[in-house]
Amino acid sequence: AQSVTQLDSQVPVFEEAPVELRCNYSSSVSVYLFWYVQYPNQGLQLLLKYLSGSTLVKGINGFEAEFNKSQTSFHLRKPSVHISDTAEYFCAVSPRGYSTLTFGKGTMLLVSP
Amino acid sequence: DTGVSQDPRHKITKRGQNVTFRCDPISEHNRLYWYRQTLGQGPEFLTYFQNEAQLEKSRLLSDRFSAERPKGSFSTLEIQRTEQGDSAMYLCASSLGVDPSDTQYFGPGTRLTVL
Repeated sequence: AQSVTQLDSQVPVFEEAPVELRCNYSSSVSVYLFWYVQYPNQGLQLLLKYLSGSTLVKGINGFEAEFNKSQTSFHLRKPSVHISDTAEYFCAVSPRGYSTLTFGKGTMLLVSP
Repeated sequence: DTGVSQDPRHKITKRGQNVTFRCDPISEHNRLYWYRQTLGQGPEFLTYFQNEAQLEKSRLLSDRFSAERPKGSFSTLEIQRTEQGDSAMYLCASSLGVDPSDTQYFGPGTRLTVL
């Protein structure tokens, strides 16, 4: 079985500051890793995913994430956030060869002026 | 490409009633997924279809829950004899192919409130 831990339930940050949202996972098999964003009253939207290859993955809206196998982490970063980045962010894993996603509890990113 | 749509967006029902939700995936997407999200939690997998075949069901999916995708297009999720614990957001997602790495595209969800 897989599990995902998002260490921060809320991350407040000022506009134009950098941000890191943390994600750790547990799995006995190799996994694919994903970050999704959920804006209010909207569906989950994929930000980026790690399947294989380079451990640094670039996604939409200036976000990137780094896969660290030894630390079983997949932290999400953005060098300069905007007010419009205020949303809930979910980290998810799926075992290689399987389609089902296991999500973390989410981290609410609150960007203020 | 109009995205995944779900109907209704909100449903309020009394305990013991049956409810049915509908999901229309992105056109030509082979896989369709159902997830449930309760307050303060991430989505939890319920079941998924490849075309009309239901390939996997979570242990979360009790006997009161049934899902169908009769023609490999839209899907319905029915909950019989609803309980207050069924109150949640029910999310539908679809993906184009059968590769597990294919992106799942999510709909806006149906929020169920059981009184």
